[in-house]
Amino acid sequence: SQQGEEDPQALSIQEGENATMNCSYKTSINNLQWYRQNSGRGLVHLILIRSNEREKHSGRLRVTLDTSKKSSSLLITASRAADTASYFCATDSLDTGRRALTFGSGTRLQVQP
Amino acid sequence: GAGVSQSPSNKVTEKGKDVELRCDPISGHTALYWYRQSLGQGLEFLIYFQGNSAPDKSGLPSDRFSAERTGGSVSTLTIQRTQQEDSAVYLCASIRGAVYGAGELFFGEGSRLTVL
Repeated sequence: SQQGEEDPQALSIQEGENATMNCSYKTSINNLQWYRQNSGRGLVHLILIRSNEREKHSGRLRVTLDTSKKSSSLLITASRAADTASYFCATDSLDTGRRALTFGSGTRLQVQP
Repeated sequence: GAGVSQSPSNKVTEKGKDVELRCDPISGHTALYWYRQSLGQGLEFLIYFQGNSAPDKSGLPSDRFSAERTGGSVSTLTIQRTQQEDSAVYLCASIRGAVYGAGELFFGEGSRLTVL
């Protein structure tokens, strides 16, 4: 399986609810990033968490990182219809030395108004 | 420019033809990436340019794919003898810093390639 795999693959919630997405990865990392992609558009950076951080907040976003479990979660609180998009985690890799970020297949979030 | 610019936004071609996709990164960004995204899928790394260093071509799927970056700015991804499986959205991204593993990528809107 790939570095940076998200679950669930798809998530449908009602406006106002919280949305939680998870990401697992396989190698040692410098940092982990979350991106958002609206349908038919490019990706937009949301938040970066470094390997020595455990939690980070940005507005309605909360990201956690557990390097012992090689996993991260993205929580979107009080979701809005405009949050409907695909969400991807991305990691670098200390093990392979590859400089490019590796992206997972994403979680498709649908927020029903 | 203000953002990463890609052209064409859409390209329809016949199997066996060559195509060129262009990426104009954010001014001053030293690193540039090409990714490929098939319908409903994640991003597949293709190639990475960093300053004057040799590019990381480890993600190119075959020798039909090549890319260059001229003058440390504009990049062109060339696909020769296109196949139907090359149909995808090709995304370009740039990053300011040269520090490995740090910083956010700024993505263009992508070039959607359809091979008939």
